[in-house]
Amino acid sequence: DTGVSQDPRHKITKRGQNVTFRCDPISEHNRLYWYRQTLGQGPEFLTYFQNEAQLEKSRLLSDRFSAERPKGSFSTLEIQRTEQGDSAMYLCASSLGQSQPQHFGDGTRLSIL
Amino acid sequence: QKEVEQDPGPLSVPEGAIVSLNCTYSNSAFQYFMWYRQYSRKGPELLMYTYSSGNKEDGRFTAQVDKSSKYISLFIRDSQPSDSATYLCAMQTRLGGSNYKLTFGKGTLLTVNP
Repeated sequence: DTGVSQDPRHKITKRGQNVTFRCDPISEHNRLYWYRQTLGQGPEFLTYFQNEAQLEKSRLLSDRFSAERPKGSFSTLEIQRTEQGDSAMYLCASSLGQSQPQHFGDGTRLSIL
Repeated sequence: QKEVEQDPGPLSVPEGAIVSLNCTYSNSAFQYFMWYRQYSRKGPELLMYTYSSGNKEDGRFTAQVDKSSKYISLFIRDSQPSDSATYLCAMQTRLGGSNYKLTFGKGTLLTVNP
């Protein structure tokens, strides 16, 4: 069990640029979640995959955001035309199945200049 | 009213003290209750995961759930400087089918002084 891995750990970009983050879940976990955390707040749910199917999307996920999980393995989260308000820590979590706890990676910190 | 309320602190205690952290919630659909520990610039680390009302103990940590009062607690005995972190309560609801999301409190920043 190598844990949830996220890459990059820190991304600095200019406003208006596109960014993509990657998450590799714990190998046997079929459920994958993305959360966003801003300073002084708890993580907020963004979206959820069961295998390759995206089953739930928060209204926080505007049309500039897209997430994929091809073949039910790693996942990517893309933000197009980044805005200042997108600056946050983007966290990925995975779980083994129904009613199982979610385990988090160390996140990707996004800074918009 | 937010679904999950947690006093953000900060909370500062001497080494060896008993720490009590608390959350209240309003959504009766919450079925599972968790405590995560988050060090600076790291992701949340699962400490405790409970379902039923009552107490669950793991080493120096005890999680307490009172569903009738919609109140959960985390107790840390013999606190250590290494316990200094932000503690997040989280609750799990069933969205539909077998889908789940976590709803977090804001987190309480704890400092244990040597």
